[in-house]
Amino acid sequence: EAGVTQSPTHLIKTRGQQVTLRCSPISGHTSVYWYQQALGLGLQFLLWYDEGEERNRGNFPPRFSGRQFPNYSSELNVNALELEDSALYLCASSFVNTQYFGPGTRLTVL
Amino acid sequence: GQQVMQIPQYQHVQEGEDFTTYCNSSTTLSNIQWYKQRPGGHPVFLIQLVKSGEVKKQKRLTFQFGEAKKNSSLHITATQTTDVGTYFCAGRDSGGGADGLTFGKGTHLIIQP
Repeated sequence: EAGVTQSPTHLIKTRGQQVTLRCSPISGHTSVYWYQQALGLGLQFLLWYDEGEERNRGNFPPRFSGRQFPNYSSELNVNALELEDSALYLCASSFVNTQYFGPGTRLTVL
Repeated sequence: GQQVMQIPQYQHVQEGEDFTTYCNSSTTLSNIQWYKQRPGGHPVFLIQLVKSGEVKKQKRLTFQFGEAKKNSSLHITATQTTDVGTYFCAGRDSGGGADGLTFGKGTHLIIQP
């Protein structure tokens, strides 16, 4: 069974640019979670999607947004990138309360 | 909002020594989960505890959930180099409402051979 996949693996952007990160959950999982893992700050909850709808969002500004598609894959969009957005962005899909993480997208903002 | 604190942030041990990380929540939890993240990797689910006072073992790892369901611990006996990584606890608030685990900041385990 394929795990959670994310693309791209790495990304380098400059301040002010926009970025889109993609996530495909494990087959059969309808929930997708996004987390930001910046150095020294642990895992910060960003967004939760279930059945195509945003169910909850963490304490992040509106320039962080996303969506979930009918096939349950998801996108995370970040507008007006700032230096502090440099982090590992992790996607997880959920089954019976357990979260299965993808390998992450490493975003560097210069 | 709910806060989950984890201590210590870093722990250096000699190979063969024991290791313990502690997790404390500001609110009562419905369950607590533990994840391990190897260097350069992504978090991998280890275990979930649900019942008050629950203790679970996985080989050299022992997980405990406090009686008040506000704290938890992970103990590793006789550490090995393969245990290196960051151990996260993650709690789900028992008060209901929106889903979403609250993760602690993790304990980085560094093992010296």
